[in-house]
Amino acid sequence: NAGVTQTPKFQVLKTGQSMTLQCAQDMNHEYMSWYRQDPGMGLRLIHYSVGAGITDQGEVPNGYNVSRSTTEDFPLRLLSAAPSQTSVYFCATSGRGLGHSNQPQHFGDGTRLSIL
Amino acid sequence: AQSVTQLGSHVSVSEGALVLLRCNYSSSVPPYLFWYVQYPNQGLQLLLKYTSAATLVKGINGFEAEFKKSETSFHLTKPSAHMSDAAEYFCAVSHSGGGADGLTFGKGTHLIIQP
Repeated sequence: NAGVTQTPKFQVLKTGQSMTLQCAQDMNHEYMSWYRQDPGMGLRLIHYSVGAGITDQGEVPNGYNVSRSTTEDFPLRLLSAAPSQTSVYFCATSGRGLGHSNQPQHFGDGTRLSIL
Repeated sequence: AQSVTQLGSHVSVSEGALVLLRCNYSSSVPPYLFWYVQYPNQGLQLLLKYTSAATLVKGINGFEAEFKKSETSFHLTKPSAHMSDAAEYFCAVSHSGGGADGLTFGKGTHLIIQP
């Protein structure tokens, strides 16, 4: 049982390049989210999804696209990387608990992304 | 809108001393509150959560937190610090239980344990 798997763990890009950060989960969780972590800023929500085919914007969505074609996968796309997107990116998932009490989020180990 | 304020970006305590990490929240609806811990180069691990069942919440590794509605606080405590507690701690709030529309995090408190 792998939980939440993020790939790659490290990546260096040049300004203007595109790439996709992968997030896969094997817990059959409905909810998935992407965060970025910057020094002194905590974690900020980029995009989230409440189920396959449904996505919405978080606090800092500009420059990022997402899609959710399956329950298991929630990729994050950078169409034209900028130095301001240098960060550590975390994917998180959670399921819907009993009695409508939602469960806390489970985090992947992160992707460290540097944009030169 | 909701927000979280963590007082003190760095907190230093001696091994064996009381740990107190402060968190104040702002939420327009009854909140769900969480504390997460992050060790270097790792993801976040849930310490404990408040979901209105009890105001004093016990978590893993000897940590606990008390929800005080009148003070809009959810401070994290541990009676006796251990060297292994050195890490970054994040307080987070959600009005949906944490999953459906993500969490709002504080900026984090780096806990330093002095030998």
